[in-house]
Amino acid sequence: SAVISQKPSRDICQRGTSLTIQCQVDSQVTMMFWYRQQPGQSLTLIATANQGSEATYESGFVIDKFPISRPNLTFSTLTVSNMSPEDSSIYLCSGTDHTEAFFGQGTRLTVV
Amino acid sequence: KNQVEQSPQSLIILEGKNCTLQCNYTVSPFSNLRWYKQDTGRGPVSLTIMTFSENTKSNGRYTATLDADTKQSSLHITASQLSDSASYICVVISPAAHNNDMRFGAGTRLTVKP
Repeated sequence: SAVISQKPSRDICQRGTSLTIQCQVDSQVTMMFWYRQQPGQSLTLIATANQGSEATYESGFVIDKFPISRPNLTFSTLTVSNMSPEDSSIYLCSGTDHTEAFFGQGTRLTVV
Repeated sequence: KNQVEQSPQSLIILEGKNCTLQCNYTVSPFSNLRWYKQDTGRGPVSLTIMTFSENTKSNGRYTATLDADTKQSSLHITASQLSDSASYICVVISPAAHNNDMRFGAGTRLTVKP
């Protein structure tokens, strides 16, 4: 099984600033995804990180707000831009090899 | 309306007791169903994966059942331990055109007390 390392694990940020979250997989995965999880809620898919090309965003999420990079098969970043308190949430990255989905430990973001 | 409904929303049991968590889904077509355990502040970790043809699958003290006809699944935890305190998430995967059509339930928050 793949191990996914995500950092930072938590951060407190000022509104109007941006935070970049990194996700590193210890083996090649076919797909990588970014999710958001509000307290007590289920995971919501933000986007699919595509290697070497623009990410595919779900309804309600846009590239200007959540730019994503995936330069190779094992690494991806998600940036939360121009943050507001409404962006306070847990952000998780996930990788799948089509038989299993693996998750990072999440980044707990608080915007003040 | 969420296509994956879990119940109960939260549950408190005493250490050593058994419990059963429920998952009803309307996702179609269906590829497989997964149960994940998510400790507070951590990412989800897979417990079981069940395909259409599987009725029961065990992983230690965890036993999952699936009834694809009624679109119901359960996760039974035997002889609970304090470390079982976590959120348990039911995920249904559909082989749709989208590369990753994973539908998440809201989870059941389990608390095991000594």
